[in-house]
Formats: sequence, C-alpha cells, structure tokens
Amino acid sequence: DTEVTQTPKHLVMGMTNKKSLKCEQHMGHRAMYWYKQKAKKPPELMFVYSYEKLSINESVPSRFSPECPNSSLLNLHLHALQPEDSALYLCASSQGMGLSSYGYTFGSGTRLTVV
Amino acid sequence: AQSVTQLDSQVPVFEEAPVELRCNYSSSVSVYLFWYVQYPNQGLQLLLKYLSGSTLVKGINGFEAEFNKSQTSFHLRKPSVHISDTAEYFCAVSQEYGNKLVFGAGTILRVKS
Repeated sequence: DTEVTQTPKHLVMGMTNKKSLKCEQHMGHRAMYWYKQKAKKPPELMFVYSYEKLSINESVPSRFSPECPNSSLLNLHLHALQPEDSALYLCASSQGMGLSSYGYTFGSGTRLTVV
Repeated sequence: AQSVTQLDSQVPVFEEAPVELRCNYSSSVSVYLFWYVQYPNQGLQLLLKYLSGSTLVKGINGFEAEFNKSQTSFHLRKPSVHISDTAEYFCAVSQEYGNKLVFGAGTILRVKS
C-alpha cells in the first residue's frame, strides 16, 4: 500500500458545526502532515506529527485541532470555522522527521466549504 | 529560512513541443529540491527530487530537472509534452535533513493541440 487516504473527499459545514477530517497511511511512515491549500495558491503547512507527537504547529488558529491516535492515522478536528477557512486540506506522510529526502506522499485532499 | 520562486505563473505550449518550467530558490544551507504535479481537484504527486550527486535528475512521465547551485535554480524540462501534462506544477525546497517543505507559487502548464 503506497497511498495516503483522506476522507471525506468533500465536506460542507456550517460555522457552528463540528466535523473531522481523516487521513490514513499504511506505509510505516512516522511523520504526518496537514497542509491547507487555498484556490490558486500553493499548499501551506499547518501541523507536523512525528512519532505520534505534535512537533510543528504553524500558528494555526485553535478552531483547528489535530490528533494522531496511532502511527497510521491523523485527524483534523474542525469547530466554529469561518468561510475563509474553505480550502483543500491535504494530508501527507514521510518516512520520518528530518528525512525529507524521501519526499512526501500526499493524499488527494478534502475539499472543505464553510457556509 | 528557505524560499522558492517560480518565475512563470502560466506556460502555454503546443503538444509535442518542449517545455521548461523555471524555479529558483534561496537558502543559506544545503537543500533538497522537489517538483510536484497537481491535476485538477487532486493531491500532489512527486515528479522528481534532487538530494545530492548528479545535477541532472530524471523523474516520472519523461520529466527531468537540472540543479544549478551557482544560479540557485532547479528548472523542470520535458522534450515533448502531451495534452495529459496539463496541470499545475510546484517546485518545493526543504533544508537538508529538515522537517518542512516550502512550496513555490506554482506554474500552470497548458498544453494545446
């Protein structure tokens, strides 16, 4: 299995809703990432988990809450989002922190629309 | 900190013509360099990467890139493009042994018949 699987593919949520994005990989990668990509922009790093511990938070608002329950799974919990949070949310994994030489494997993303 | 500049936001080209997508980076330390492709409504797929060694790197789908340290460039080339190469291409850099991938703004390649 050489894929990163993200669910759901599309999500529409209201500003008072609570929802979660899920990311799963079975490649034995020990680092996992959340990126946010606005339309016509490059991906921007949000969070990095290494060995199931949060190692980087790029000053992301607290309405985004990441969770790494185990080495294969990464969640992003969403609460009280704003319309400007609408974007493509990409999950990625790599063999380990400090081993970016291997590149990242990206999922196909969750297209989030906040109404 | 590292940064990446992709010099062209859009590159139109006819089918079977050669193409070059330009990328310049800045960094005070050794870096790894990557090119990713993103098709509409999809995630990013790694095309190729430069870590060390030979400055000419070959990737998937007939693409190659050349690392030029003196010009801090990592331009992507393909000798003959296909309609299916229409996509957005991102150049990215990370610090050697680093933990963060920084992307350029992207170049949309439009292949016309």
